[in-house]
Amino acid sequence: GAGVSQSPSNKVTEKGKDVELRCDPISGHTALYWYRQSLGQGLEFLIYFQGNSAPDKSGLPSDRFSAERTGGSVSTLTIQRTQQEDSAVYLCASSRTGANTGELFFGEGSRLTVL
Amino acid sequence: QQQVKQSPQSLIVQKGGISIINCAYENTAFDYFPWYQQFPGKGPALLIAIRPDVSEKKEGRFTISFNKSAKQFSLHIMDSQPGDSATYFCAASMKGGSSYKLIFGSGTRLLVRP
Repeated sequence: GAGVSQSPSNKVTEKGKDVELRCDPISGHTALYWYRQSLGQGLEFLIYFQGNSAPDKSGLPSDRFSAERTGGSVSTLTIQRTQQEDSAVYLCASSRTGANTGELFFGEGSRLTVL
Repeated sequence: QQQVKQSPQSLIVQKGGISIINCAYENTAFDYFPWYQQFPGKGPALLIAIRPDVSEKKEGRFTISFNKSAKQFSLHIMDSQPGDSATYFCAASMKGGSSYKLIFGSGTRLLVRP
């Protein structure tokens, strides 16, 4: 497809389990972002990739959160030992040139519910 | 300093009315101010954007007004329609080393009544 694709669209897990969220950006977009959207809240920046490297991981809430990007394309956000406060919609976005000079294209998100 | 403050949290407008959403920032390094629109179950999508060298930008029924001295900007939706019902986010990005990052406001949930 032409847009940013995220999977799974919904994930229900038990507290303490690990989860992986996947993002497939628009082809040719070198910049990739992960944001978190909690109920009724704004979009919280998590991490930024340029190619396969992550020059800004400053938004990752704890060391239970990690992300990687391979081949300059697909990215995976991993949350270990999930907690109830991790429940949110995790949004991935990609951009050809970056936020200041271009548009961010968002996927539909992965809704994570931790019981 | 990195925050963008958005108000109101929610807004109800009658069809045909004007919807106004306001945002304020502190960091003068911000130099790009987009608005994103999000429908339920979808990701946010770019609606309209402005840079500080102009005070207003209009695209159809949507207008951004920018006040550089007050460090405020607002979105005006003229002739609001039920199809405009969505959550709107203002955002800001800065020049220089952090130009890749978009800082979002907390969002405004708009309901346009028929």
